[in-house]
Amino acid sequence: GENVEQHPSTLSVQEGDSAVIKCTYSDSASNYFPWYKQELGKRPQLIIDIRSNVGEKKDQRIAVTLNKTAKHFSLHITETQPEDSAVYFCAATAPGASYGKLTFGQGTILTVHP
Amino acid sequence: NAGVTQTPKFQVLKTGQSMTLQCAQDMNHNSMYWYRQDPGMGLRLIYYSASEGTTDKGEVPNGYNVSRLNKREFSLRLESAAPSQTSVYFCASSIAGAEKLFFGSGTQLSVL
Repeated sequence: GENVEQHPSTLSVQEGDSAVIKCTYSDSASNYFPWYKQELGKRPQLIIDIRSNVGEKKDQRIAVTLNKTAKHFSLHITETQPEDSAVYFCAATAPGASYGKLTFGQGTILTVHP
Repeated sequence: NAGVTQTPKFQVLKTGQSMTLQCAQDMNHNSMYWYRQDPGMGLRLIYYSASEGTTDKGEVPNGYNVSRLNKREFSLRLESAAPSQTSVYFCASSIAGAEKLFFGSGTQLSVL
């Protein structure tokens, strides 16, 4: 099945800096890559997603890039703010019998210092 | 519009006890999921229901059973709880597979 590796496990930045989290996946057939944000004690919430027919997608201060050849995708957060502090999870799913069954990465704890 | 509702929020069990986690969604979604979340391991899929009447195993199904009671409800049962099942359990739903997941608020389960 699909395997998703996420790095780094922890990331600490100063307010205003950029943050980048990278994920690699194993199944070259995977075609849907979402990112979820989970604040402490809360439920995960989708912040951005990308499909394999697109190389990059932006939504205000966040962007996701996808490199299908290298089988990796990354989350970019610019001008970080303290409220960006949370755990971020990447995920992937592939067509076929497993479609819709998201495989998540291990998570990245992002801390933004004021 | 409540979204995805999970009950209970907290539960403590003794080894060998059984219990059912309840989940209901009011968004007319077709797909429903049960995940468990453990420190450093992300979210792991236990069971998945693509549509009413169907269920499928996820990554970590051992020790669990599920029932898709109708389109709204998807329950998770632990027949004989073990300490390894201590975790936070999230139910989620989506319009269909590979679409935005809406998560419930989670159930913190401790098995002693």
